[in-house]
Amino acid sequence: LAKTTQPISMDSYEGQEVNITCSHNNIATNDYITWYQQFPSQGPRFIIQGYKTKVTNEVASLFIPADRKSSTLSLPRVSLSDTAVYYCLVGDRTGGFKTIFGAGTRLFVKA
Amino acid sequence: DTEVTQTPKHLVMGMTNKKSLKCEQHMGHRAMYWYKQKAKKPPELMFVYSYEKLSINESVPSRFSPECPNSSLLNLHLHALQPEDSALYLCASSHATARGPYGYTFGSGTRLTVV
Repeated sequence: LAKTTQPISMDSYEGQEVNITCSHNNIATNDYITWYQQFPSQGPRFIIQGYKTKVTNEVASLFIPADRKSSTLSLPRVSLSDTAVYYCLVGDRTGGFKTIFGAGTRLFVKA
Repeated sequence: DTEVTQTPKHLVMGMTNKKSLKCEQHMGHRAMYWYKQKAKKPPELMFVYSYEKLSINESVPSRFSPECPNSSLLNLHLHALQPEDSALYLCASSHATARGPYGYTFGSGTRLTVV
């Protein structure tokens, strides 16, 4: 199972771009990288998924270098409501039956 | 329907009680999961069902008993719990084949307090 390492916490201000990097040195060939957002007392919510290069959707971008040993979640122009914990998961395309959550990154957005 | 519904949202139970948590999804997902989450910690995997059969049990104590009566329902039966079992219990579902789309869909969880 690929282990992930993320910063424990980050602070930002409203309107700024936030980049959260995840390290996954032993990622397998078939593994995808998926990011989830979790608010207190709620279940994690899917944000974005990618395999290589860059993926963009309406809420975030995901940058994956050629060696795939890390990935960066980019949140453009964050707002107070983006304050949450962000998890990077690595596994096969279904999420993998035994995908393990890392510690996550606690993002705090200030006014 | 793109949701995983968990009931109840909150549950308080005594250490001698028997209670059940329920999870339901109608997305055609054939893999379903129970996670336990303590405050300020990541979710911890407890059980995985694939095609209604238990495929993973992460050495969970027998006071937690999962059940998957059909492809849409997942239950977690609770008996003789301890106060340290108090946590947010999350249910999730996903496609069970490598060709499925993206990741897990989580429910909002059941906040369990054991007194």
